[in-house]
Amino acid sequence: EIVMTQSPATLSVSPGESATLSCRASQSVNSNLAWYHQRPGQAPRLLIYGASTRATGIPARFSGSGSGTEFTLTISSLQSEDFAVYYCQQYNNWPLTFGGGTKVEIK
Amino acid sequence: QVQLVESGGGVVQPGGSLRLSCAASGFTFSNYGMHWVRQAPGRGLEWVAFIRYDGSDKYYADSVTGRFTISRDNSKNTLYLQMNSLRAEDTAVYYCAKDAAATRSFDYWGQGTLVTVSS
Repeated sequence: EIVMTQSPATLSVSPGESATLSCRASQSVNSNLAWYHQRPGQAPRLLIYGASTRATGIPARFSGSGSGTEFTLTISSLQSEDFAVYYCQQYNNWPLTFGGGTKVEIK
Repeated sequence: QVQLVESGGGVVQPGGSLRLSCAASGFTFSNYGMHWVRQAPGRGLEWVAFIRYDGSDKYYADSVTGRFTISRDNSKNTLYLQMNSLRAEDTAVYYCAKDAAATRSFDYWGQGTLVTVSS
């Protein structure tokens, strides 16, 4: 099983600032990586797939990069609706696995 | 618009069984693989199971293999999860999710149904 490790666990950011989230895989997942965010009480929402392709309707302030074992999600100019928990997920191998999440909170 | 509506959750005793359903609409259900993903209270996401668009192939997390069975009825646009030999650690919100085309990411999610395993 591929273990996905996200850091930091919590990120405190002021509205309008940018945030950089990291995700590391225990072995290469090529570019088969997705990012989601989840607001309290809601289902997760797909943000990025293929490591860097924004999903339908996702604003350009979300960008993903990386390949192999190291990935980054950058959120520029954080809006109020962006404060949430963010998860990475690999789909290179079965079983599909998620990282433990990064909570982006208001500073 | 794509809609996924789960049902069938509830309280069940350890060792018991439950069947979850997910009614799909707004897309051609028979063309897409489908997943179940769960989230224990206050915890992260855990992928549970996948079924191909035609039901010909299925994959499971190790934690549920041999106890859970994923299935689908394309004539009813419905996904199922049969859960047997339930344990306390199966307590979670269970989401059904649509497989994104050409990837194994999840592009649409239902709102989830809560399963509580407790005596």
